[in-house]
Amino acid sequence: DVKVTQSSRYLVKRTGEKVFLECVQDMDHENMFWYRQDPGLGLRLIYFSYDVKMKEKGDIPEGYSVSREKKERFSLILESASTNQTSMYLCASRPGGITDTQYFGPGTRLTVL
Amino acid sequence: AQKVTQAQTEISVVEKEDVTLDCVYETRDTTYYLFWYKQPPSGELVFLIRRNSFDEQNEISGRYSWNFQKSTSSFNFTITASQVVDSAVYFCALSESNNNDMRFGAGTRLTVKP
Repeated sequence: DVKVTQSSRYLVKRTGEKVFLECVQDMDHENMFWYRQDPGLGLRLIYFSYDVKMKEKGDIPEGYSVSREKKERFSLILESASTNQTSMYLCASRPGGITDTQYFGPGTRLTVL
Repeated sequence: AQKVTQAQTEISVVEKEDVTLDCVYETRDTTYYLFWYKQPPSGELVFLIRRNSFDEQNEISGRYSWNFQKSTSSFNFTITASQVVDSAVYFCALSESNNNDMRFGAGTRLTVKP
């Protein structure tokens, strides 16, 4: 079974803090994704990566950056957290092209005070 | 541009009722893929089904069935004889052949009451 893990289920941070959200997959998948999920908006893509050190912006990259130094790990970074970044963050991985399904982690619910 | 609309924000049914979740999509691509995911209270999205644009055959898997109609750009999901364990948020999603990402609808929260 594919396993996608995220470092925290719940996280509380203060405005202005630097926040790291970690995602690890154990199936050697090429592609990894970060989404945020907000009520009424579904999942919106923040960034994705199709290879080590490669990344592309999604729909809402502002205020976020990512890092993929190893194939199995994809990190989402909030350089200076703001209250409007309070959300559920979901990581996903996908083995190949768009015909493949994405496998999701359990999510991190981030609250920025 | 691609877009997925799930007009039903919340649905509440009583156990054993049948329920249909609607999904309407927009795309200019002739090759695309449609997905349904289930998100139970635990939070992790679970893949349910994938359909490509060239396969309009309806599919049945146990109590679940899917109706794909290109003429109306719809990919609806029906649960027959619903159970409390079906309570979850359900997402419809679309991938196009020339895009690397996936577009999700806003989701439909289904509550099945005993």
